Formats: sequence, C-alpha cells, structure tokens
Amino acid sequence: GIQVEQSPPDLILQEGANSTLRCNFSDSVNNLQWFHQNPWGQLINLFYIPSGTKQNGRLSATTVATERYSLLYISSSQTTDSGVYFCAGYTGGFKTIFGAGTRLFVKA
Amino acid sequence: GAVVSQHPSWVICKSGTSVKIECRSLDFQATTMFWYRQFPKQSLMLMATSNEGSKATYEQGVEKDKFLINHASLTLSTLTVTSAHPEDSSFYICSASRGLNTEAFFGQGTRLTVV
Repeated sequence: GIQVEQSPPDLILQEGANSTLRCNFSDSVNNLQWFHQNPWGQLINLFYIPSGTKQNGRLSATTVATERYSLLYISSSQTTDSGVYFCAGYTGGFKTIFGAGTRLFVKA
Repeated sequence: GAVVSQHPSWVICKSGTSVKIECRSLDFQATTMFWYRQFPKQSLMLMATSNEGSKATYEQGVEKDKFLINHASLTLSTLTVTSAHPEDSSFYICSASRGLNTEAFFGQGTRLTVV
C-alpha cells in the first residue's frame, strides 16, 4: 500500500522562528490534508490541499502532486503551535493514510 | 467545515467488560466513517471502515469479534470494544467525510483505559 513519510520527525524552535515540514508519498494520492493534533488528542484540520498553495494566517501549504510531496510552512512560530503535525493522503475510495507525524516544540 | 462528535471523551472500565464509543456527524450525512487507533507517540492506525447499512471492513490484523462496528444510520457509527483487556487501552478516533475524496473531519477521540 501507499507509504507516507514525514520529515523531520522532531523539531524544536525558538518562538518567532519559521519552519518547513515535508510530506512525501510513495504513490499518487487522490487528495491530501494537514492536521495539527493538540495536547488533548483532537485533530485540527489545517489544510485540504490536493494541489497548489493555500494560506491561512501564519500557516501555508503547498502540494506538488506530480512530484508526490507537500510542504507545510509555519511562520513566526508561537508556543501554541506546539504539538504533532500529520499529513494524510487519500487512496482510492475514502481511506486516509497518515504519516508518522512531526513533533514540534516551540520554546518561549 | 463539518462537525464530528465522539462520545465519551474518556472511559475507564474493568477488564472483561465491554465499552461502546459513539461517533456522530452532526451537520452532514456520512455513508462511510472510519475508526482509528493511536498508541502514545505514534501515528493513527486505521482499524476499520464503517459502512451504513452493511458490514464493516476491517484492516488486516484487527479482530472483528473484539472490535464490533455498527453503522446504524447516516449520522451514527459505534465501536464496541468487547471483553476489554488492559492491552486494549488506547486512544480511539473516528472520522467522516461528506463524500468520496472529500475532506475528512475527526471526532475528539476517546481515551480508553482498561484496569
């Protein structure tokens, strides 16, 4: 089945710094989402981005479907950005396959 | 967006008892819902696909008799952990989407502890 690889696995930032998280897919996916899992376990939808670029405040994402990767940019990071970031790809049908996640810690 | 509600948020049960977790799509109909399991510091693992009006489709290695799934209506799926044991303790999360290849929305998750 499809493999989803995320990098880096762990990231420590000083508050105010920028970062880029990457998601690679072993095969074509029908669609792609980015999530932030908060300390209570809730998955927060960040972007639904099959291709192109989207921005929402300090966050933006770019997916290049033909090259099977997606990037999540976090600018001017804040301590509340800490948590785990997952990308997930849709295979045929509804199935959503998750990457292992990037664990982000933003220091004050 | 869309709202998916999961209940309960956490539950503690005795070994040997059964626990039912509900997943509801509050503002849309979902013919298909998904159940995931997450161990500490790990990713989400798909357990099964819940189909309204038909049997669930389980992923390889997931015990059908242990994890009973019922998709009673277009807005409700339930996961019952039968004869729970400490190794079933985990975080369980459901998801739903409006249609094929559309955005998925997740419930709040249920933290199950079996003592």
